[in-house]
Amino acid sequence: DGGITQSPKYLFRKEGQNVTLSCEQNLNHDAMYWYRQDPGQGLRLIYYSQIVNDFQKGDIAEGYSVSREKKESFPLTVTSAQKNPTAFYLCASSILFGAFTGELFFGEGSRLTVL
Amino acid sequence: GIQVEQSPPDLILQEGANSTLRCNFSDSVNNLQWFHQNPWGQLINLFYIPSGTKQNGRLSATTVATERYSLLYISSSQTTDSGVYFCAVDSGGYQKVTFGTGTKLQVIP
Repeated sequence: DGGITQSPKYLFRKEGQNVTLSCEQNLNHDAMYWYRQDPGQGLRLIYYSQIVNDFQKGDIAEGYSVSREKKESFPLTVTSAQKNPTAFYLCASSILFGAFTGELFFGEGSRLTVL
Repeated sequence: GIQVEQSPPDLILQEGANSTLRCNFSDSVNNLQWFHQNPWGQLINLFYIPSGTKQNGRLSATTVATERYSLLYISSSQTTDSGVYFCAVDSGGYQKVTFGTGTKLQVIP
């Protein structure tokens, strides 16, 4: 089935450790995105990528890093510099129509808890 | 950047009731989507609606781009409609999508 796969679904880490969240899509979408959601809050954009080997910072990029070496994959690393890493992380992808973003599709999310 | 506000922030309905959720945005947009986030956190696509009206079963949506708002109608609500409803807009520029503040809906039996 076509879709977006995030792993792991749940992750526990000690403070000060870097963690990497995986996001893979088989929809042949150009663009991929990472969002962060805190309890009772909306979604905030961390990073996005329109094409392989290129990505842009979103609104809350500090303490995070990404790579886009393949069209299908957009992993997110939560570094020890992120002050409040405990959150729900959502990956998404979409087609691009020139300057316009097509319909956005999401994975099931990864819940990160830092102890 | 663009501001996206949703109202009401919270809504409690009796099962079978109808409701209207609103999404206001501060600038012109290229497209608009409505999502339902279920209690497990999954975001489910409801409508991709830059303008006009669409219907899908008990749900329908209308976007009036010139007046910078969109409405989501839920008729004959069911307990499974509970969750948070988000609108999201693409205002172009950096080709990123901005999410609204959300409406938390609780449907009680």
